[in-house]
Amino acid sequence: NAGVTQTPKFRILKIGQSMTLQCTQDMNHNYMYWYRQDPGMGLKLIYYSVGAGITDKGEVPNGYNVSRSTTEDFPLRLELAAPSQTSVYFCASSYSSSDTRAGGRGQPQHFGDGTRLSIL
Amino acid sequence: AQKITQTQPGMFVQEKEAVTLDCTYDTSDPSYGLFWYKQPSSGEMIFLIYQGSYDQQNATEGRYSLNFQKARKSANLVISASQLGDSAMYFCAMRLSGSARQLTFGSGTQLTVLP
Repeated sequence: NAGVTQTPKFRILKIGQSMTLQCTQDMNHNYMYWYRQDPGMGLKLIYYSVGAGITDKGEVPNGYNVSRSTTEDFPLRLELAAPSQTSVYFCASSYSSSDTRAGGRGQPQHFGDGTRLSIL
Repeated sequence: AQKITQTQPGMFVQEKEAVTLDCTYDTSDPSYGLFWYKQPSSGEMIFLIYQGSYDQQNATEGRYSLNFQKARKSANLVISASQLGDSAMYFCAMRLSGSARQLTFGSGTQLTVLP
């Protein structure tokens, strides 16, 4: 049972380079999210998606782009890497509120293991 | 706007003792959910427990319980019989109803269990 899979686990970029962080989930969740976690801090929402073809900005979207062409995949794109984007990035997914498959326990978000990104 | 506050950057507890991690929240929405996640040093986010704003009883999951005081807007996590493996960062998070179910996180509490 893979859940949410993120690749790569670690990456070092030079300032100005671009890269895509991959995220895929096999739980058929409609909702997907990208968060960043700076050292000693909580997670902040970058972008989210409520279904294929639908994305929206979160709290800290500047410098990032996303796409959602399938239910399973939600890649995060950094176009011009900056030192301020050094962080740990988490992808998460969850059922929608109307999904009858969700069951109880609050339908929590399921997280990937994170991508540790350093911009030098 | 919603906000989560965790005022304890670090906590220490002796093995086998109970510990309470504080969480207060601020929202004007009457319908919301509160979550606790554990982040061990390996970095993954592990869901622990959930409390809905309309739930009549405090949530419990094994050694974890949530002391929910709605009037005080607090949702403290209680860990009973602490184990060395409980040493980790703990995050409180809130989700509002009618949204895309995104979470707002607190800054976390680093718990260290002493042998």
